[in-house]
Amino acid sequence: EAQVTQNPRYLITVTGKKLTVTCSQNMNHEYMSWYRQDPGLGLRQIYYSMNVEVTDKGDVPEGYKVSRKEKRNFPLILESPSPNQTSLYFCASRLATGASKQYFGPGTRLTVT
Amino acid sequence: TQLLEQSPQFLSIQEGENLTVYCNSSSVFSSLQWYRQEPGEGPVLLVTVVTGGEVKKLKRLTFQFGDARKDSSLHITAAQPGDTGLYLCADGSSNTGKLIFGQGTTLQVKP
Repeated sequence: EAQVTQNPRYLITVTGKKLTVTCSQNMNHEYMSWYRQDPGLGLRQIYYSMNVEVTDKGDVPEGYKVSRKEKRNFPLILESPSPNQTSLYFCASRLATGASKQYFGPGTRLTVT
Repeated sequence: TQLLEQSPQFLSIQEGENLTVYCNSSSVFSSLQWYRQEPGEGPVLLVTVVTGGEVKKLKRLTFQFGDARKDSSLHITAAQPGDTGLYLCADGSSNTGKLIFGQGTTLQVKP
């Protein structure tokens, strides 16, 4: 089954404690991205990757890091989380063409206290 | 930068009513996608429109792409509680693979 998986689904942490949210896709897609979704602000892209070892900033990259060492995996790293990073996070993947379908993961609900 | 505006932002209707939501842009789309997101889940693609004037139907949902490819609409006939969710339009014009999303329309269909 074609899917994007991300873990954990829920995470409560404290300010400053480094965390990683994993993301994996089984469709051999070149393009992967991370979004955060906040009430009234919609889906905002954090980082994206067009292929292995190729990553770039999205619209709201501050406070986040990513890596793309393998095509299937695209982890999101918060080196020093802060309360304003409390949000719902989605990983997504698609073929790198304009009309192709984007597959989203189930989401990670992060709370930073 | 392409800006997508969706309207209305919120819509609460009774089961059986019809509704239309809109997605408008300041620029021309090369392709436009509509997604639905149910509470607690990621968005799921409903349809992609590519050609100006195109109309696509998905059961009770009708998607229309404007002739000038700068706007799109989603019409739902006889809405059901199962149609409740967030409806997002997304512009796939970028050749980098990036999708630009509208803010979404939150639809609530009451039984």
